[in-house]
Amino acid sequence: AQTVTQSQPEMSVQEAETVTLSCTYDTSENNYYLFWYKQPPSRQMILVIRQEAYKQQNATENRFSVNFQKAAKSFSLKISDSQLGDTAMYFCAFMKVQGNQFYFGTGTSLTVIP
Amino acid sequence: DADVTQTPRNRITKTGKRIMLECSQTKGHDRMYWYRQDPGLGLRLIYYSFDVKDINKGEISDGYSVSRQAQAKFSLSLESAIPNQTALYFCATRGQGYTQYFGPGTRLTVL
Repeated sequence: AQTVTQSQPEMSVQEAETVTLSCTYDTSENNYYLFWYKQPPSRQMILVIRQEAYKQQNATENRFSVNFQKAAKSFSLKISDSQLGDTAMYFCAFMKVQGNQFYFGTGTSLTVIP
Repeated sequence: DADVTQTPRNRITKTGKRIMLECSQTKGHDRMYWYRQDPGLGLRLIYYSFDVKDINKGEISDGYSVSRQAQAKFSLSLESAIPNQTALYFCATRGQGYTQYFGPGTRLTVL
């Protein structure tokens, strides 16, 4: 079975600063996808960024970027120029190619302080 | 309009009652999922379906059943609700690149 670990239950960051959320995973698979989802107080699950394991280049979406370390099974999310609207729960998720389901971490609650 | 919708958005029910949560999607995706979210536990898979004739159990299917009425509709039933089924329930579809698209969630409280 796959496991996803988010070791930081809560984090905070000053507005306009940079913050990094950690995620590690355990798998014997070589081909898989990794995701970060954001869940604001509205509770909607919103895709932030996606990484394909066979791609060495780290994915980037505007202010959001990842540091994907395949050998270390690490997938951290960096948020630059933090904004108040970034306040949310962030979930890391894993899915193997040809797999049937997502495996989610337990989430990191991020608060952006004005 | 939202691509994945869920009804109801909030529901309070009593122990022993039967309840159905409904999910509809306009994304045209074949694969649909039901997840449960509990504080501190993330999201856990209840059931998933690859098409109308293909239903599969997830890691926490006990106490739940599902029906895939059409490609666009996937409902979750609690035959006899119990308090520890109080949670936030999400329906999702899977699109290209294995990305999952979530509905807005249903908050269920079982008294």
